[in-house]
Amino acid sequence: DQQVKQNSPSLSVQEGRISILNCDYTNSMFDYFLWYKKYPAEGPTFLISISSIKDKNEDGRFTVFLNKSAKHLSLHIVPSQPGDSAVYFCAAGGNKLVFGAGTILRVKS
Amino acid sequence: GAGVSQSPSNKVTEKGKDVELRCDPISGHTALYWYRQSLGQGLEFLIYFQGNSAPDKSGLPSDRFSAERTGGSVSTLTIQRTQQEDSAVYLCASSSQHQPQHFGDGTRLSIL
Repeated sequence: DQQVKQNSPSLSVQEGRISILNCDYTNSMFDYFLWYKKYPAEGPTFLISISSIKDKNEDGRFTVFLNKSAKHLSLHIVPSQPGDSAVYFCAAGGNKLVFGAGTILRVKS
Repeated sequence: GAGVSQSPSNKVTEKGKDVELRCDPISGHTALYWYRQSLGQGLEFLIYFQGNSAPDKSGLPSDRFSAERTGGSVSTLTIQRTQQEDSAVYLCASSSQHQPQHFGDGTRLSIL
């Protein structure tokens, strides 16, 4: 029973364009959502978070959108850069995080 | 160092042996978490320590897995009588109260 799903295993985007990474969750009790970025052989690095009382949070090139009625979360990266190429995980919960399986983002120069 | 430190970075062992994985959290972080990531999968929660409270062990997959956190700092995850399905990257994270978790680079465990 996957409580957090990232349905796109991979995404390829041209440098300078927008990358949109999507995540769906099933548990309406989740009140905190995060995005992590992971390079090979490294641990996940925290990118951006949003609490359930908000519907948008922005940090530089990264914006996270939360649609609670649809139980849907997305990460927008604009403009995308080659260094953004990595695996992106969404996570949800509180103290215990439930992670999606990740989306591989490739930004082509 | 300033980040979460895990050792060893790689561990290869024979089926049936016991292994110990170590995590040094960020100084001052009261919460410590263990996760594992199997090939092609997301991170799977294993166990969570918060201060002096009893740990949340709800993610441990079997009684072969145990973890302790000594003095509210360093943690050791022990896997007894390892099986091939235990092969994964084991990740440790720490956090302050109500702050995002910060991860170490993990221990890649391979069971032959």
